[in-house]
Amino acid sequence: DAGVIQSPRHEVTEMGQEVTLRCKPISGHNSLFWYRQTMMRGLELLIYFNNNVPIDDSGMPEDRFSAKMPNASFSTLKIQPSEPRDSAVYFCASRGQGKDNEQFFGPGTRLTVL
Amino acid sequence: RKEVEQDPGPFNVPEGATVAFNCTYSNSASQSFFWYRQDCRKEPKLLMSVYSSGNEDGRFTAQLNRASQYISLLIRDSKLSDSATYLCVVNHRGSTLGRLYFGRGTQLTVWP
Repeated sequence: DAGVIQSPRHEVTEMGQEVTLRCKPISGHNSLFWYRQTMMRGLELLIYFNNNVPIDDSGMPEDRFSAKMPNASFSTLKIQPSEPRDSAVYFCASRGQGKDNEQFFGPGTRLTVL
Repeated sequence: RKEVEQDPGPFNVPEGATVAFNCTYSNSASQSFFWYRQDCRKEPKLLMSVYSSGNEDGRFTAQLNRASQYISLLIRDSKLSDSATYLCVVNHRGSTLGRLYFGRGTQLTVWP
């Protein structure tokens, strides 16, 4: 069984560059979550989708961040332009329908902005 | 005030020890509760759900006190492989749209 797939696993870029993170949720799951994790702030929810529709994007730090989910099997998180303070591990998670269903996390993308 | 608060630790215990982690949550409307485990440089994974009556899974026991808004995790007979960060997690709504709120995590190191 393939779990949540994220790419790239590591990204090093220079300040000002555009960064696109990709996520493929587990097949059949209808909710998708983007998180960011840093030592200082822990795990923060950025945005989540239900049936491809954004439900809550209040965690998106600013306009430089955007997320899309064009279909049930793919989502992107874009940062443009990137800044050093965006350096973090970005996790994607998905969950199937049903009360209290488990969220399954992908392996994460470790982003470093120089 | 943060939604979920945990003692960050670190907890350093010898193999075989019993160790307990606690967390508190701020929203009395919270309905679902979990412990996730995160190994170093890995993603979080569900360890166990926490039920009102308390529940046990092998060496792990989770308890919930709704009146005090307090959740605990007890690990008996600690193993080296238990070394990880343990995240306390709550869900305000039991519906499919409910988001999860994560604590910062409690770091555990079990030494030989």
